[in-house]
Amino acid sequence: AQSVTQLDSHVSVSEGTPVLLRCNYSSSYSPSLFWYVQHPNKGLQLLLKYTSAATLVKGINGFEAEFKKSETSFHLTKPSAHMSDAAEYFCVVRSVYSSASKIIFGSGTRLSIRP
Amino acid sequence: DGGITQSPKYLFRKEGQNVTLSCEQNLNHDAMYWYRQDPGQGLRLIYYSQIVNDFQKGDIAEGYSVSREKKESFPLTVTSAQKNPTAFYLCASSTGQGANEQYFGPGTRLTVT
Repeated sequence: AQSVTQLDSHVSVSEGTPVLLRCNYSSSYSPSLFWYVQHPNKGLQLLLKYTSAATLVKGINGFEAEFKKSETSFHLTKPSAHMSDAAEYFCVVRSVYSSASKIIFGSGTRLSIRP
Repeated sequence: DGGITQSPKYLFRKEGQNVTLSCEQNLNHDAMYWYRQDPGQGLRLIYYSQIVNDFQKGDIAEGYSVSREKKESFPLTVTSAQKNPTAFYLCASSTGQGANEQYFGPGTRLTVT
């Protein structure tokens, strides 16, 4: 069975400060993990993905995430927030053995950036 | 330009009418998906197709129908049987092999009054 939990529904940070968006997962098999970003009334854009290579994954726009198997976590970070980072972020888990119906989306974390 | 297109971006319909949302991709992907997104919520899978002329129900298929006659196209019909059709609809595609990422279209916002 697979599941994904985004621990915060809303995160607010000041511009220029670090961002941490938390994601925990469970998976019966070696998972692939993804972070997507969604700006208002737009589709989802892939930020980064983990597929059993390096555990520290670098993505677009300065974001990165670390796969920690012992903690079943895949938290998204960025050293310095920018106003344009304000958006909804989704953590997604998928197993190479799963069917298309078993792509599991987290409920999302809304990131707000204070000037 | 490679990608996924959805049209129209905004769609308005009267209650009781069927409406079809378009989704086209030129990425040569085998798998295509339809999701529904309600305010403040994540994505819920409506239908998916892993190959032409074949599709499967997702978690919330009731009141929806799809077809997959061409690899590039996966239209979604929202029927009058769908109790709460007003939502943001997202189409996605992927290579269908292994656990690869999905690519998403820009979405269609459907409002039914």
